[in-house]
Amino acid sequence: AQSVTQPDIHITVSEGASLELRCNYSYGATPYLFWYVQSPGQGLQLLLKYFSGDTLVQGIKGFEAEFKRSQSSFNLRKPSVHWSDAAEYFCAVGEYGNKLVFGAGTILRVKS
Amino acid sequence: DADVTQTPRNRITKTGKRIMLECSQTKGHDRMYWYRQDPGLGLRLIYYSFDVKDINKGEISDGYSVSRQAQAKFSLSLESAIPNQTALYFCATGRETREYKNIQYFGAGTRLSVL
Repeated sequence: AQSVTQPDIHITVSEGASLELRCNYSYGATPYLFWYVQSPGQGLQLLLKYFSGDTLVQGIKGFEAEFKRSQSSFNLRKPSVHWSDAAEYFCAVGEYGNKLVFGAGTILRVKS
Repeated sequence: DADVTQTPRNRITKTGKRIMLECSQTKGHDRMYWYRQDPGLGLRLIYYSFDVKDINKGEISDGYSVSRQAQAKFSLSLESAIPNQTALYFCATGRETREYKNIQYFGAGTRLSVL
């Protein structure tokens, strides 16, 4: 079965600093990979997705992620974090039947 | 207006009560999903439906049932609520096209507390 691991439960960064959130997946074939963000009291919003092609994908709000097959990773990055980026971030892998398997999430705190 | 609407947004109930969470969508998607979110566990799939006549169990369906009343409506029921069903519940929609494969759109969630 597919699985997704987000090793960091909480991360705290200073406003203006760079950010990298880690995601590792287990999947036999070429995966469909996603990052979603959940702001407090909100549903999940799609940040970006990887289906195929260029391994560096750009998303909304200045986020990007890089697919590395050799490391089974799909890490999310942002060069300069804003206070409004404080949220919980979920990595997910697509599964047969249009389903998603989610990681446990990483809570991002931004300190001023 | 939200494309995926969940009602109620918050609910407190007692052990043993039957409760229904409702989801409606205006996106015209054929696929709908119910998840629960628990701290440290991420989102886990309860049930999913590919169309009105196609309903499937997800990872954690025990204690839950669903009804797909129309393409736009998908309800989740807890027949006899228990405290460990206290969680944040999300409805999501999707469609099976090459461009949108596996992409899901989420409602704002229903926070359920079972006392």
